[in-house]
Amino acid sequence: AQSVTQLGSHVSVSEGALVLLRCNYSSSVPPYLFWYVQYPNQGLQLLLKYTSAATLVKGINGFEAEFKKSETSFHLTKPSAHMSDAAEYFCAVKTGKLIFGQGTTLQVKP
Amino acid sequence: SAVISQKPSRDICQRGTSLTIQCQVDSQVTMMFWYRQQPGQSLTLIATANQGSEATYESGFVIDKFPISRPNLTFSTLTVSNMSPEDSSIYLCSVEDGATNYGYTFGSGTRLTVV
Repeated sequence: AQSVTQLGSHVSVSEGALVLLRCNYSSSVPPYLFWYVQYPNQGLQLLLKYTSAATLVKGINGFEAEFKKSETSFHLTKPSAHMSDAAEYFCAVKTGKLIFGQGTTLQVKP
Repeated sequence: SAVISQKPSRDICQRGTSLTIQCQVDSQVTMMFWYRQQPGQSLTLIATANQGSEATYESGFVIDKFPISRPNLTFSTLTVSNMSPEDSSIYLCSVEDGATNYGYTFGSGTRLTVV
């Protein structure tokens, strides 16, 4: 069965620092992978997706993620955090239906 | 990408009552999905709704508690029946958005509080 594990329920970085949010997946077939962001009291917004094309995927707001099949990972990165990046981030895998990880709260300190 | 209108955006309901949540999409879609997000938690898929057939429920969710209608290709409803405080959650509908190449678009959610 497919599943997603996000390592670290809470990540805190300083403004300007590198953001790294970890996601590992389990899937018996080549997966489609997604990162979503949820700002407080708002719905989900798609940040980026991997659909078996380029392994390095660029998304909105300066985020990118790299699909590594050997590590079954799809970690989300951003070179320089901004205060507006503070939100909940969800990794998700789709093989027929979309299954979400537990989520990671990103805190950005001034 | 698809635009989803979901209502109500929030509600406070008495235990034992039922609430119907509506989801309207601005384009025709084959499948619509209903998720629950409990406080401080991730999203859990409740069911998949196809037009013209009964919804497919995930483990732990049953039709008597969460009846779903899908009368056409742009609309669906989810009813939360006989509510208890444990049903207090955000409920979201979603569609697979062909315009975004496999991405899923979500409604803004219904924040339900049961008292």
